[in-house]
Amino acid sequence: TQTVSQSDAHVTVFEGDSVELRCNYSYGGSIYLSWYIQHHGRGLQFLLKYYSGNPVVQGVNGFEAEFSKSDSSFHLRKASVHWSDSAVYFCAVEGTNAYKVIFGKGTHLHVLP
Amino acid sequence: GGIITQTPKFLIGQEGQKLTLKCQQNFNHDTMYWYRQDSGKGLRLIYYSITENDLQKGDLSEGYDASREKKSSFSLTVTSAQKNEMAVFLCASSGDRGISNERLFFGHGTKLSVL
Repeated sequence: TQTVSQSDAHVTVFEGDSVELRCNYSYGGSIYLSWYIQHHGRGLQFLLKYYSGNPVVQGVNGFEAEFSKSDSSFHLRKASVHWSDSAVYFCAVEGTNAYKVIFGKGTHLHVLP
Repeated sequence: GGIITQTPKFLIGQEGQKLTLKCQQNFNHDTMYWYRQDSGKGLRLIYYSITENDLQKGDLSEGYDASREKKSSFSLTVTSAQKNEMAVFLCASSGDRGISNERLFFGHGTKLSVL
């Protein structure tokens, strides 16, 4: 069974702070992992994807995520957030030999001025 | 670039009614998806399709039918709308998943309200 767990429904930080959004997964096989962002009233947009190799993946707008097989995790990080980073962030997992893409429940990031 | 168009943007139905949502993509992607988004529950996969005329059930397929008669389109039918149901339905497509930066492209959604 594929599952994705995002333990924090809401995270609140101040502009300029660093942030880590947590994602843990359960999947019996090799996988791809992704993060997507959804601004209020908009569709989901791709941030980054772990495909293979270097476990630290760089994405757009200063985001990065680190894959850990031992922890079954793919946490998203940003060193210094901007108010425009306020959005809902979704982690997703899929098998490398499958087409089914499963999403977590999302983490709503609130960036205060 | 391409685009995914979902129609209608807003759909109001009556309890028990059969309702159809449509999705078109011009990426020439093989794989298409339907997700349901409810507040606090994230995205749940209803149906996906690997190619024209293929249908695969997701985790939330009960109460829904889907159709992929053309590569560019993927429709979803709510077989019997539930009273007070409110959700956003998102369509997505993707190309070759084995490419490092290949990802899902999403439409803007159809917002369903059932009276």
